[in-house]
Amino acid sequence: KQEVTQIPAALSVPEGENLVLNCSFTDSAIYNLQWFRQDPGKGLTSLLLIQSSQREQTSGRLNASLDKSSGRSTLYIAASQPGDSATYLCALAGYSGNTPLVFGKGTRLSVIA
Amino acid sequence: EAQVTQNPRYLITVTGKKLTVTCSQNMNHEYMSWYRQDPGLGLRQIYYSMNVEVTDKGDVPEGYKVSRKEKRNFPLILESPSPNQTSLYFCASRSPLNTGELFFGEGSRLTVL
Repeated sequence: KQEVTQIPAALSVPEGENLVLNCSFTDSAIYNLQWFRQDPGKGLTSLLLIQSSQREQTSGRLNASLDKSSGRSTLYIAASQPGDSATYLCALAGYSGNTPLVFGKGTRLSVIA
Repeated sequence: EAQVTQNPRYLITVTGKKLTVTCSQNMNHEYMSWYRQDPGLGLRQIYYSMNVEVTDKGDVPEGYKVSRKEKRNFPLILESPSPNQTSLYFCASRSPLNTGELFFGEGSRLTVL
């Protein structure tokens, strides 16, 4: 059974720092991996989607990478801002169309002004 | 605007009083699903639907029912709610199947007294 781990559970950084959030998984037979942002009490907003055949995706200050062989994905945030404070979750889609997404428990990020 | 809409957003009810949380998407997605989110447990899938009239259990289906009579709607039914169903519920949709981005509703916070 696929297991997804996000470490650390919480992270606090000063504004302007570049930072990396980690997502590790146990089964490399994935279809894609998606990174989400969740603000307190709100829904999840999709940030980046990486297909199994891709190595990375970029959107603005965000860059997500995928290394299936090592079972890892990273989300890189450049020049962090207080508005980046949120919980970041990764989710994996299995190779079969009817397997549910498996979510990590998230990393709660605080960017201090 | 592409969106997933859930109602109600907030609900307080009492044990045993049947309730329905509605979910509607305007993106013509085949796949829809329901999740609950609890502190320390993360997001867990309740039910999902691959298409109209096709539904299946997720990881935590006990105490819930769903129906998919038309493509855009996927209501979650609690026939006899209990306090352990107090949670934050999310509806999501995706197309096609595993290749696409998952879109989430804003969430429905349910309290069962």
